[in-house]
Amino acid sequence: NAGVMQNPRHLVRRRGQEARLRCSPMKGHSHVYWYRQLPEEGLKFMVYLQKENIIDESGMPKERFSAEFPKEGPSILRIQQVVRGDSAAYFCASSPRAGGRHGELFFGEGSRLTVL
Amino acid sequence: GDSVTQMEGPVTLSEEAFLTINCTYTATGYPSLFWYVQYPGEGLQLLLKATKADDKGSNKGFEATYRKETTSFHLEKGSVQVSDSAVYFCALSATNQAGTALIFGKGTTLSVSS
Repeated sequence: NAGVMQNPRHLVRRRGQEARLRCSPMKGHSHVYWYRQLPEEGLKFMVYLQKENIIDESGMPKERFSAEFPKEGPSILRIQQVVRGDSAAYFCASSPRAGGRHGELFFGEGSRLTVL
Repeated sequence: GDSVTQMEGPVTLSEEAFLTINCTYTATGYPSLFWYVQYPGEGLQLLLKATKADDKGSNKGFEATYRKETTSFHLEKGSVQVSDSAVYFCALSATNQAGTALIFGKGTTLSVSS
């Protein structure tokens, strides 16, 4: 049973380019979460999606960042016009039901974005 | 808003030493509490959890007790091993927000030497 799959594992972009990060949740999971891990800052929630719906995007920067989880295919986190401050590890997690009090999220190995 | 505060790292211990990593939280309502572990180069894995006051979560020799009176969920292990070297994250999930993701602390790095 494959776990949460993220790709690419490492991505290098120049300032101003676009970055697309993909996440395929575990089989049977319809809830996807994106987190950003910055050095010395821990893990910060960005967005929570269910199939075709954004449930909570309170942690997403207002500009340049967007996320989707289409009916078919992986969830995608898109960062337009990247800046050096976007360099971080981006983790995707999935769960079979809403996070809530059950709370077990299954994490992928992360995508490490480096902006030159 | 809800938040989690963990002790600053890194924590450096010798093998077989006793481990405590402190975690306190601020939340409205009655959250569930979790400890996740991140080994080098990997994603986070759930280590243990507790869903109500006085519950004790345990796994792989690690334990943590949900203390409502002190709003704490400290992680302990009686005898650490080199393989326990990792980053440990305390997290909470509020019960009145069914769809909300977990809120994590900043993480505490544990380094165990033989």
